Amino acid sequence: SAVISQKPSRDICQRGTSLTIQCQVDSQVTMMFWYRQQPGQSLTLIATANQGSEATYESGFVIDKFPISRPNLTFSTLTVSNMSPEDSSIYLCSVRTGARSDSPLHFGNGTRLTVT
Amino acid sequence: QKEVEQDPGPLSVPEGAIVSLNCTYSNSAFQYFMWYRQYSRKGPELLMYTYSSGNKEDGRFTAQVDKSSKYISLFIRDSQPSDSATYLCAMSADYGGATNKLIFGTGTLLAVQP
Repeated sequence: SAVISQKPSRDICQRGTSLTIQCQVDSQVTMMFWYRQQPGQSLTLIATANQGSEATYESGFVIDKFPISRPNLTFSTLTVSNMSPEDSSIYLCSVRTGARSDSPLHFGNGTRLTVT
Repeated sequence: QKEVEQDPGPLSVPEGAIVSLNCTYSNSAFQYFMWYRQYSRKGPELLMYTYSSGNKEDGRFTAQVDKSSKYISLFIRDSQPSDSATYLCAMSADYGGATNKLIFGTGTLLAVQP
Protein backbone atom coordinates (compact mmCIF):
# COMPACT_ATOMS: atom_id res chain seq x y z
CA SER A 1 0.00 0.00 0.00
CA ALA A 2 1.02 3.64 -0.46
CA VAL A 3 2.92 5.67 2.15
CA ILE A 4 0.89 8.76 2.98
CA SER A 5 2.55 11.69 4.75
CA GLN A 6 0.58 14.51 6.29
CA LYS A 7 1.89 17.83 7.56
CA PRO A 8 1.54 19.26 10.12
CA SER A 9 0.80 16.37 12.47
CA ARG A 10 -0.81 18.77 14.92
CA ASP A 11 -1.41 22.47 15.39
CA ILE A 12 -3.05 24.90 17.76
CA CYS A 13 -4.60 27.86 15.96
CA GLN A 14 -6.46 30.98 16.90
CA ARG A 15 -10.05 31.64 15.98
CA GLY A 16 -10.42 33.42 12.64
CA THR A 17 -7.16 32.17 11.12
CA SER A 18 -6.64 29.53 8.42
CA LEU A 19 -4.52 26.39 8.31
CA THR A 20 -3.36 24.47 5.24
CA ILE A 21 -2.76 20.74 5.62
CA GLN A 22 -0.53 18.94 3.14
CA CYS A 23 -0.82 15.34 1.98
CA GLN A 24 1.99 13.67 0.04
CA VAL A 25 1.77 10.13 -1.36
CA ASP A 26 4.81 8.13 -2.44
CA SER A 27 3.11 6.87 -5.61
CA GLN A 28 0.61 8.18 -8.11
CA VAL A 29 -2.98 7.59 -7.06
CA THR A 30 -6.21 8.30 -8.87
CA MET A 31 -8.44 9.05 -5.92
CA MET A 32 -7.60 11.21 -2.91
CA PHE A 33 -10.03 12.10 -0.17
CA TRP A 34 -10.19 14.30 2.90
CA TYR A 35 -11.96 13.11 6.05
CA ARG A 36 -12.75 14.61 9.41
CA GLN A 37 -12.74 12.57 12.61
CA GLN A 38 -14.38 14.06 15.68
CA PRO A 39 -14.52 12.37 19.12
CA GLY A 40 -17.36 9.88 19.38
CA GLN A 41 -18.33 10.32 15.74
CA SER A 42 -17.67 8.29 12.63
CA LEU A 43 -15.19 9.41 10.00
CA THR A 44 -16.92 11.94 7.80
CA LEU A 45 -15.96 12.52 4.19
CA ILE A 46 -15.34 16.21 3.49
CA ALA A 47 -14.52 16.02 -0.20
CA THR A 48 -12.91 14.11 -3.03
CA ALA A 49 -9.80 15.86 -4.34
CA ASN A 50 -9.86 15.64 -8.13
CA GLN A 51 -6.63 16.07 -10.04
CA GLY A 52 -6.80 19.05 -12.37
CA SER A 53 -10.35 20.05 -11.49
CA GLU A 54 -12.42 21.34 -8.61
CA ALA A 55 -12.95 19.11 -5.60
CA THR A 56 -16.29 17.36 -5.07
CA TYR A 57 -17.75 18.31 -1.69
CA GLU A 58 -20.09 16.29 0.48
CA SER A 59 -23.28 17.68 1.92
CA GLY A 60 -22.52 20.12 4.72
CA PHE A 61 -19.06 21.09 3.44
CA VAL A 62 -18.37 24.03 1.15
CA ILE A 63 -15.42 25.19 -0.88
CA ASP A 64 -15.18 28.58 0.83
CA LYS A 65 -14.64 26.89 4.19
CA PHE A 66 -12.51 23.95 3.01
CA PRO A 67 -10.69 24.85 -0.21
CA ILE A 68 -8.78 21.91 -1.66
CA SER A 69 -6.01 21.74 -4.22
CA ARG A 70 -4.79 18.70 -6.15
CA PRO A 71 -2.05 19.85 -8.54
CA ASN A 72 -0.84 16.34 -9.41
CA LEU A 73 -1.40 12.63 -8.71
CA THR A 74 0.73 12.53 -5.55
CA PHE A 75 -0.15 15.72 -3.64
CA SER A 76 -3.15 17.54 -2.20
CA THR A 77 -3.85 20.28 0.32
CA LEU A 78 -6.86 21.02 2.49
CA THR A 79 -7.28 24.48 3.98
CA VAL A 80 -9.51 25.05 6.99
CA SER A 81 -10.55 28.69 6.66
CA ASN A 82 -11.73 31.26 9.19
CA MET A 83 -11.48 28.68 11.95
CA SER A 84 -13.74 28.42 14.97
CA PRO A 85 -13.48 26.06 17.98
CA GLU A 86 -16.03 23.79 16.24
CA ASP A 87 -13.36 23.03 13.63
CA SER A 88 -11.20 21.34 16.27
CA SER A 89 -10.85 17.82 14.95
CA ILE A 90 -8.53 15.32 13.31
CA TYR A 91 -8.26 15.78 9.54
CA LEU A 92 -7.24 12.73 7.55
CA CYS A 93 -5.98 12.36 4.01
CA SER A 94 -6.95 9.11 2.33
CA VAL A 95 -6.16 7.45 -1.00
CA ARG A 96 -7.50 4.59 -3.04
CA THR A 97 -4.54 2.74 -4.49
CA GLY A 98 -6.37 0.15 -6.57
CA ALA A 99 -7.92 0.88 -9.93
CA ARG A 100 -11.30 -0.54 -9.00
CA SER A 101 -13.92 1.63 -7.35
CA ASP A 102 -14.30 -1.01 -4.63
CA SER A 103 -10.62 -0.93 -3.67
CA PRO A 104 -10.21 -0.09 0.01
CA LEU A 105 -8.91 3.22 1.33
CA HIS A 106 -5.60 3.87 3.01
CA PHE A 107 -5.06 6.73 5.44
CA GLY A 108 -2.37 9.09 6.58
CA ASN A 109 -1.75 9.65 10.28
CA GLY A 110 -3.88 12.75 10.36
CA THR A 111 -3.56 16.35 11.48
CA ARG A 112 -4.82 17.05 15.00
CA LEU A 113 -6.19 20.59 14.97
CA THR A 114 -7.16 22.58 18.07
CA VAL A 115 -8.78 25.98 17.62
CA THR A 116 -8.76 28.31 20.59
CA GLN B 1 -31.20 5.89 12.25
CA LYS B 2 -27.53 5.81 11.31
CA GLU B 3 -26.56 3.74 8.29
CA VAL B 4 -23.92 1.92 10.35
CA GLU B 5 -24.15 1.26 14.08
CA GLN B 6 -21.18 0.21 16.20
CA ASP B 7 -20.94 -0.21 19.95
CA PRO B 8 -18.36 2.38 21.08
CA GLY B 9 -17.19 0.35 24.05
CA PRO B 10 -14.79 0.62 25.72
CA LEU B 11 -14.24 -3.10 25.75
CA SER B 12 -11.68 -4.46 28.20
CA VAL B 13 -10.51 -8.08 28.02
CA PRO B 14 -7.66 -10.10 29.54
CA GLU B 15 -4.77 -11.20 27.36
CA GLY B 16 -5.55 -14.41 25.49
CA ALA B 17 -9.30 -13.81 25.34
CA ILE B 18 -11.39 -14.08 22.19
CA VAL B 19 -12.73 -10.68 21.21
CA SER B 20 -15.88 -10.13 19.18
CA LEU B 21 -16.49 -6.74 17.59
CA ASN B 22 -19.71 -6.05 15.72
CA CYS B 23 -21.50 -3.63 13.43
CA THR B 24 -25.04 -3.53 12.12
CA TYR B 25 -26.17 -1.64 9.07
CA SER B 26 -29.40 -0.64 7.37
CA ASN B 27 -28.47 -0.31 3.67
CA SER B 28 -29.02 -3.64 1.92
CA ALA B 29 -26.96 -2.39 -1.04
CA PHE B 30 -23.70 -2.61 0.93
CA GLN B 31 -21.46 -5.28 -0.59
CA TYR B 32 -17.93 -4.40 0.51
CA PHE B 33 -17.01 -4.63 4.17
CA MET B 34 -13.84 -3.53 5.88
CA TRP B 35 -12.32 -3.41 9.32
CA TYR B 36 -9.76 -0.79 10.21
CA ARG B 37 -7.55 -0.65 13.28
CA GLN B 38 -6.56 2.75 14.64
CA TYR B 39 -3.89 3.17 17.27
CA SER B 40 -3.83 6.32 19.35
CA ARG B 41 -2.56 9.32 17.37
CA LYS B 42 -2.33 7.28 14.17
CA GLY B 43 -4.48 6.98 11.07
CA PRO B 44 -6.81 4.02 10.45
CA GLU B 45 -4.99 0.95 9.10
CA LEU B 46 -6.82 -1.56 6.90
CA LEU B 47 -7.11 -4.88 8.71
CA MET B 48 -9.64 -6.95 6.80
CA TYR B 49 -11.56 -6.56 3.54
CA THR B 50 -14.40 -8.84 2.48
CA TYR B 51 -16.90 -8.90 -0.31
CA SER B 52 -20.52 -10.01 0.21
CA SER B 53 -21.36 -12.72 2.76
CA GLY B 54 -19.11 -15.29 4.36
CA ASN B 55 -15.97 -15.54 6.43
CA LYS B 56 -12.39 -14.46 5.87
CA GLU B 57 -9.51 -15.44 8.07
CA ASP B 58 -6.08 -13.81 8.40
CA GLY B 59 -3.94 -15.11 11.24
CA ARG B 60 -5.67 -14.39 14.53
CA PHE B 61 -8.35 -12.30 12.83
CA THR B 62 -11.61 -13.53 11.29
CA ALA B 63 -14.11 -11.28 9.55
CA GLN B 64 -17.67 -12.49 9.20
CA VAL B 65 -20.47 -11.01 7.13
CA ASP B 66 -24.14 -11.94 7.41
CA LYS B 67 -25.98 -9.94 4.78
CA SER B 68 -29.35 -11.48 5.63
CA SER B 69 -29.10 -10.02 9.13
CA LYS B 70 -27.15 -6.91 8.04
CA TYR B 71 -24.51 -7.75 10.60
CA ILE B 72 -20.72 -7.98 10.42
CA SER B 73 -18.23 -9.17 13.00
CA LEU B 74 -14.52 -9.19 13.62
CA PHE B 75 -13.13 -11.92 15.87
CA ILE B 76 -9.68 -11.68 17.41
CA ARG B 77 -8.27 -14.91 18.83
CA ASP B 78 -5.60 -15.05 21.51
CA SER B 79 -5.80 -11.29 21.98
CA GLN B 80 -2.58 -9.45 22.82
CA PRO B 81 -1.93 -6.10 24.50
CA SER B 82 -0.71 -4.88 21.10
CA ASP B 83 -4.28 -5.34 19.83
CA SER B 84 -5.38 -2.46 22.07
CA ALA B 85 -6.76 0.11 19.65
CA THR B 86 -9.96 1.48 18.20
CA TYR B 87 -11.57 -0.79 15.60
CA LEU B 88 -13.65 0.83 12.88
CA CYS B 89 -16.00 -1.00 10.59
CA ALA B 90 -16.64 0.45 7.15
CA MET B 91 -18.75 -0.55 4.20
CA SER B 92 -19.81 0.57 0.76
CA ALA B 93 -22.17 -0.25 -2.05
CA ASP B 94 -21.32 -0.48 -5.73
CA TYR B 95 -23.34 2.03 -7.68
CA GLY B 96 -21.10 1.67 -10.70
CA GLY B 97 -19.54 5.10 -10.35
CA ALA B 98 -15.93 6.08 -10.08
CA THR B 99 -16.17 6.50 -6.32
CA ASN B 100 -18.03 4.28 -3.93
CA LYS B 101 -18.41 6.18 -0.69
CA LEU B 102 -17.26 4.40 2.45
CA ILE B 103 -19.57 4.64 5.44
CA PHE B 104 -17.84 4.18 8.78
CA GLY B 105 -18.99 3.09 12.19
CA THR B 106 -18.02 5.22 15.18
CA GLY B 107 -15.39 2.71 16.30
CA THR B 108 -15.01 0.39 19.30
CA LEU B 109 -12.20 1.07 21.76
CA LEU B 110 -10.54 -2.20 22.80
CA ALA B 111 -8.13 -2.60 25.71
CA VAL B 112 -6.36 -5.94 26.19
CA GLN B 113 -5.01 -6.22 29.71
CA PRO B 114 -1.72 -8.12 30.21
